[in-house]
Amino acid sequence: QSVLTQSPSVSGAPGQRVTISCTGTSSNIGAGYDVHWYKQLPGTAPKLLLYGNNNRPSGVPDRFSASKSGTSASLAITGLQVEDEADYFCQSYDSSLSVVFGGGTKLTVL
Amino acid sequence: QVRLQQWGAGLLRPSETLSLTCAVYGGSFSGYYWSWIRQPPGKGLEWIGEINPGGNTNYNPSLKSRVTISVDPSKNHFSLKLNSVTAADTALYYCSIRSIISNTVDFWGQGTLVTVSS
Repeated sequence: QSVLTQSPSVSGAPGQRVTISCTGTSSNIGAGYDVHWYKQLPGTAPKLLLYGNNNRPSGVPDRFSASKSGTSASLAITGLQVEDEADYFCQSYDSSLSVVFGGGTKLTVL
Repeated sequence: QVRLQQWGAGLLRPSETLSLTCAVYGGSFSGYYWSWIRQPPGKGLEWIGEINPGGNTNYNPSLKSRVTISVDPSKNHFSLKLNSVTAADTALYYCSIRSIISNTVDFWGQGTLVTVSS
């Protein structure tokens, strides 16, 4: 049982827009801690996708964006591409001095 | 560029102690937490714990009683020990580096699959 809750799967056709949600509590996201997003391809380690709620590391296209409100956060992908198919994880910090992750959302590009 | 190289036993019997070590190349201890994260097959990520530049540790409350993370600054190595393992500890274990400033996990090791089976 992950501390942050994500829907297990989402799908969309190429060119479409999808969103992935991440729900926490008042001790993590709701406490004001930043939410970060990672993309994991099969057989590889996760890679930072977005940080500080909506900042992109070098090389990440602006098709990816994030937002946060209250105890929840979301990742939006526009202009869906085949190479976006992957697992996506949210991550934040908790008042118990713990790093917390979501359970991951599998994105399928139809 | 920072690179993490990890190693350790991949097959354990129940009640044994998991032991993994991670070497950090191209980076320093300063400004980062050195962390361990695991991922059971087909499941999500679980933070195990970390050690900071002052040698202080933080552990996942659910694992705290069984976990020890230590560091050897002279070798740029840090290690994980998890005792009394069960099948539930079967997972891909990653060493990683988390930024103190941004709280993001910026670098990951290649992962070590640890299987607990009798």
